[in-house]
Amino acid sequence: GQQLNQSPQSMFIQEGEDVSMNCTSSSIFNTWLWYKQDPGEGPVLLIALYKAGELTSNGRLTAQFGITRKDSFLNISASIPSDVGIYFCAGRGGSNYKLTFGKGTLLTVNP
Amino acid sequence: EAGVVQSPRYKIIEKKQPVAFWCNPISGHNTLYWYRQNLGQGPELLIRYENEEAVDDSQLPKDRFSAERLKGVDSTLKIQPAELGDSAVYLCASSTRPTETQYFGPGTRLLVL
Repeated sequence: GQQLNQSPQSMFIQEGEDVSMNCTSSSIFNTWLWYKQDPGEGPVLLIALYKAGELTSNGRLTAQFGITRKDSFLNISASIPSDVGIYFCAGRGGSNYKLTFGKGTLLTVNP
Repeated sequence: EAGVVQSPRYKIIEKKQPVAFWCNPISGHNTLYWYRQNLGQGPELLIRYENEEAVDDSQLPKDRFSAERLKGVDSTLKIQPAELGDSAVYLCASSTRPTETQYFGPGTRLLVL
């Protein structure tokens, strides 16, 4: 089955630093999604990518859909304490609506 | 616009007891999903509904899990009987055409003792 490798598993950074995380897949995806999950809550959609090569921003967040369609990255600029949480990538392939999730990146921001 | 609503938010039960979770999707979203999220993992799909029809239930453990979406809006996921390994977060999500981008509810945190 499809597998997603998400890295890094965790990050400890200082407030104001930039952050980068990525996901790679063994299969081609048609859609890449990035979610953030806070403790005790469900995943919240940050950015959705629908075309290979697409680069999309949402405030301080930027994500790209890799041209091979097997990878995606998420950048966070000038991190703030409320960026703390678990970030998940998710991919969807073909006409199948099933999302395959990475294992998440735990981000800790020291003020 | 209201998001996906789930209840209860937390549930603690003893093993072998039944439990049910309820989900109300975003208004107008025809597709509804139930996921299970184990600690330290990403969500994994249990079942997907298109309106009232379960179109993908291949990952649902049918010996003890059941789900329904009788009128194509709200949905209920049931476990009977619950086992210790069922302790997890149960997430509901919904989506609509054309992108079918999935939006998640807050989840139900289940602890089986």
